[in-house]
Amino acid sequence: EPEVTQTPSHQVTQMGQEVILRCVPISNHLYFYWYRQILGQKVEFLVSFYNNEISEKSEIFDDQFSVERPDGSNFTLKIRSTKLEDSAMYFCASNPRTANTGELFFGEGSRLTVL
Amino acid sequence: AQKITQTQPGMFVQEKEAVTLDCTYDTSDQSYGLFWYKQPSSGEMIFLIYQGSYDEQNATEGRYSLNFQKARKSANLVISASQLGDSAMYFCAMRGNTGNQFYFGTGTSLTVIP
Repeated sequence: EPEVTQTPSHQVTQMGQEVILRCVPISNHLYFYWYRQILGQKVEFLVSFYNNEISEKSEIFDDQFSVERPDGSNFTLKIRSTKLEDSAMYFCASNPRTANTGELFFGEGSRLTVL
Repeated sequence: AQKITQTQPGMFVQEKEAVTLDCTYDTSDQSYGLFWYKQPSSGEMIFLIYQGSYDEQNATEGRYSLNFQKARKSANLVISASQLGDSAMYFCAMRGNTGNQFYFGTGTSLTVIP
């Protein structure tokens, strides 16, 4: 069964460093997402991506964040100048989207710890 | 704007009993989808069940069923014959017809007691 894969599963970084979280969405899906979940809290939308551009982004997704799909398969989230409060689980998800049916397919998450 | 509300931060259920997890939503979209996800302690998000706003029948998937009351804007998850492995966080989510975003509730932590 096709699945969304994410790397790394866990990354520890020093405050102020840049991190790149990588995702390989399901190949025939059209919409890609990044969500964030701070430990024990709700799942927060960061950004959605369609047709090689951002289609929606939340208030959280400020200039510190960027996404790209460099090669047609990978979908990356870059976090510049990390802060302590960026520590969270970051989920990549994809969706085939032809209507509002069809669930989000989540990866297993990348846990980011900022020290 | 879309909004999902889960008012039960924590629930307990005896093994083999049924349990209902509440979810209400708010949207101005005529067409939308409602979803439930399970998040065990390992952290992954597991899709459980989907209900479309135009579906007349309540969705069922094995031991999961969705009690959809459109007029009340509620989409409660019913888990029958609870098992110890059902202990997890459960998130209700919605996707409207405008935009691509899935909106999540704050989740309900379910503990199944042997």
